[in-house]
Amino acid sequence: NAGVMQNPRHLVRRRGQEARLRCSPMKGHSHVYWYRQLPEEGLKFMVYLQKENIIDESGMPKERFSAEFPKEGPSILRIQQVVRGDSAAYFCASSPSAGTGGSGELFFGEGSRLTVL
Amino acid sequence: GDSVTQMEGPVTLSEEAFLTINCTYTATGYPSLFWYVQYPGEGLQLLLKATKADDKGSNKGFEATYRKETTSFHLEKGSVQVSDSAVYFCALRSAQVTFGIGTKLQVIP
Repeated sequence: NAGVMQNPRHLVRRRGQEARLRCSPMKGHSHVYWYRQLPEEGLKFMVYLQKENIIDESGMPKERFSAEFPKEGPSILRIQQVVRGDSAAYFCASSPSAGTGGSGELFFGEGSRLTVL
Repeated sequence: GDSVTQMEGPVTLSEEAFLTINCTYTATGYPSLFWYVQYPGEGLQLLLKATKADDKGSNKGFEATYRKETTSFHLEKGSVQVSDSAVYFCALRSAQVTFGIGTKLQVIP
């Protein structure tokens, strides 16, 4: 039973290019979360999605960042016109159910490490 | 909104020392509480959890008790090993999951 799969594990982009990070949740999970981890900093929530819906994007920068979770296929985190400050590890997590009133844990992928030159 | 405060690291201990990493939280309602561990170059893994007041989560010698009266969920281990060196995150889950900043633990032989 495969866990949360993220790819690429490492991505190098030059300033101004686009970065696309993919996340396939665990089988049977319909909730996906994206987090950003900057060097020596904690885990910052970015966005929470269900299939075809963005539930909470309060942690997403207003510009250049977008996320989707289509009916078929992986969730995509897209960063347009990357800048050096976007260099970070981006983690995806999935769960089978919503958080409210639930006790479920999140299952994390191994992360995608973006380096912007 | 919800928040989690945990002690900042790094924490450096000798092997077999006693470990405490403090965690307090602010939340509405009755959240579930978690400790996650992140080993170098990897994603987060659940270490233990507690879903209601006075519950004690335990795993691999680590323990934490859900204290509603003090809104705390401190992580403890009686005797740490070098292999416990990692970053530990306290988290709560209500409407969404909120993480603390993480505490880096380094255990030296």
